[in-house]
Amino acid sequence: AQSVAQPEDQVNVAEGNPLTVKCTYSVSGNPYLFWYVQYPNRGLQFLLKYITGDNLVKGSYGFEAEFNKSQTSFHLKKPSALVSDSALYFCAVTLSDETYKYIFGTGTRLKVLA
Amino acid sequence: EAQVTQNPRYLITVTGKKLTVTCSQNMNHEYMSWYRQDPGLGLRQIYYSMNVEVTDKGDVPEGYKVSRKEKRNFPLILESPSPNQTSLYFCASSDRPAYEQYFGPGTRLTVT
Repeated sequence: AQSVAQPEDQVNVAEGNPLTVKCTYSVSGNPYLFWYVQYPNRGLQFLLKYITGDNLVKGSYGFEAEFNKSQTSFHLKKPSALVSDSALYFCAVTLSDETYKYIFGTGTRLKVLA
Repeated sequence: EAQVTQNPRYLITVTGKKLTVTCSQNMNHEYMSWYRQDPGLGLRQIYYSMNVEVTDKGDVPEGYKVSRKEKRNFPLILESPSPNQTSLYFCASSDRPAYEQYFGPGTRLTVT
């Protein structure tokens, strides 16, 4: 069965420190991978995606993610966390441009401490 | 302004009373989808549509119906709601599966 795992329910990091939010996936074929962020009482907002090409992708608000095919991972990173980055983060995967079937992870709550 | 709108934003209803949650997008997107968000379970896809009159089941379609008669609208129908359908529902749309999804603001549904 295809799945996406976000192993940490919550990540705490001090402001100014680097942050990592982990995501691993299990799908057949070549995945399209995404990160979305959800602020309180809001819908989800797109951060970045990996379709093909360079394994390091850059996105909104200074976030980046590294696609690692051998480890089937797509971890979200930021060199220096801000308090305003505190939110709920979701990893998601779809299998190709021929289907709109998506699988989301369970979400990781990021708390950046001042 | 490019957006996905959902109505109502909040709804409290009783078991068995049919309801419809509307979703509309103004970006001329072909692809639309419904999700439910539950604590500890993340987002789960209910149904999706790849074009007008083309819909397919996601991971949790039981108890839900959808229709796509126009490109901009993708209503979610609960013909006989039950308490286990109490959840936060999101509609989303995109140009293509490989492109970002635009999400609506969500509909919080409580079924008593």
